Amino acid sequence: GQSLEQPSEVTAVEGAIVQINCTYQTSGFYGLSWYQQHDGGAPTFLSYNALDGLEETGRFSSFLSRSDSYGYLLLQELQMKDSASYFCAAYYNTDKLIFGTGTRLQVFP
Amino acid sequence: DAGITQSPRYKITETGRQVTLMCHQTWSHSYMFWYRQDLGHGLRLIYYSAAADITDKGEVPDGYVVSRSKTENFPLTLESATRSQTSVYFCASRTLNQNTEAFFGQGTRLTVV
Repeated sequence: GQSLEQPSEVTAVEGAIVQINCTYQTSGFYGLSWYQQHDGGAPTFLSYNALDGLEETGRFSSFLSRSDSYGYLLLQELQMKDSASYFCAAYYNTDKLIFGTGTRLQVFP
Repeated sequence: DAGITQSPRYKITETGRQVTLMCHQTWSHSYMFWYRQDLGHGLRLIYYSAAADITDKGEVPDGYVVSRSKTENFPLTLESATRSQTSVYFCASRTLNQNTEAFFGQGTRLTVV
């Protein structure tokens, strides 16, 4: 199948750095995206990795290793507003976008 | 207004009834998707479409029907609603380019009683 695994929950304090890992099935894999979803809201796009390596966008960075079937989202200088659910999502066979189960991040003061 | 909109935002229906959830986007995006979100399961892909008149099954298609006669619309129909289809449904769209983001509607909360 085409499934993605993430930790269910991560906690951290304001100003800290947190890493959310994602492992995926390789068959038909094209690239890995990350989305943020606040409670009651819709998912919003954070980043996309098509190639191995690190992509940086402000406080957020995303990493992909195709050889390890693994990626992560790195959130730096955490703020209270970063408390949300984070989803990795993979493109399979160029067009099917499959989401992971999500990681709930709680940021404490 | 430009964007992707879903209707209705909330719906309560009875078991066995047919229900259609609407999704409309104004960008002329090629791809459109339907997901359901349940606690503990994240977002699960129901159906997706690469263009008008082209649709394909996702992870959990049973009990659902889609159509895409026009690029901008992608309705999802529950032919005979069951309680297990109580969920929040999200529609999304994106361009042909995978590097671009998928834009999500605000969701439809469906309750089947």
